[in-house]
Amino acid sequence: DAGVTQSPTHLIKTRGQQVTLRCSPKSGHDTVSWYQQALGQGPQFIFQYYEEEERQRGNFPDRFSGHQFPNYSSELNVNALLLGDSALYLCASRHRRGSGANVLTFGAGSRLTVL
Amino acid sequence: AQSVTQPDIHITVSEGASLELRCNYSYGATPYLFWYVQSPGQGLQLLLKYFSGDTLVQGIKGFEAEFKRSQSSFNLRKPSVHWSDAAEYFCAVGYNNDMRFGAGTRLTVKP
Repeated sequence: DAGVTQSPTHLIKTRGQQVTLRCSPKSGHDTVSWYQQALGQGPQFIFQYYEEEERQRGNFPDRFSGHQFPNYSSELNVNALLLGDSALYLCASRHRRGSGANVLTFGAGSRLTVL
Repeated sequence: AQSVTQPDIHITVSEGASLELRCNYSYGATPYLFWYVQSPGQGLQLLLKYFSGDTLVQGIKGFEAEFKRSQSSFNLRKPSVHWSDAAEYFCAVGYNNDMRFGAGTRLTVKP
């Protein structure tokens, strides 16, 4: 049973460009959350998706947007990249209901470097 | 303000020694509490969780944690550390159906 898979693993962009990161949740999970982890920091919550809609959002600007597809997979888009957007972007999934509802399973992350 | 605090940025212990990593939280109600571990270049792996009931919880890899309501703490312990335990450890609080993380504690294990 595959866990949470993310792509790409690493990528390099320049300031002002746009980036799309992808996430496939663990089998059976319907809710996807995205986190930004800057070097030496803990993960910071960006937003959460279920039923193809953004349900919660952390303190991130509108440059950060997302999407969830009918198969529960998700994308994170960042526009007008800044140097400060360089980070490890983590996707996490969970069941929205049931005994697993409060436990997140994380992917290995996508490391974004902005030059 | 709601927060998760890990007071120790970096801890070094000798292999075979005991370990305690501290975590304090500030939330209105008794939250769900978690410890995750992150090895270099990896995602986060769940070590253990506390939702309710017995305040001493057992996790994977020989780790345990104790919830103390009076101190708003959820400290992680291991009686004997192995070299493979070297990693970054994150305490997290379940918040509004998602999670908030502390800044992490980096564990170095000396031979």
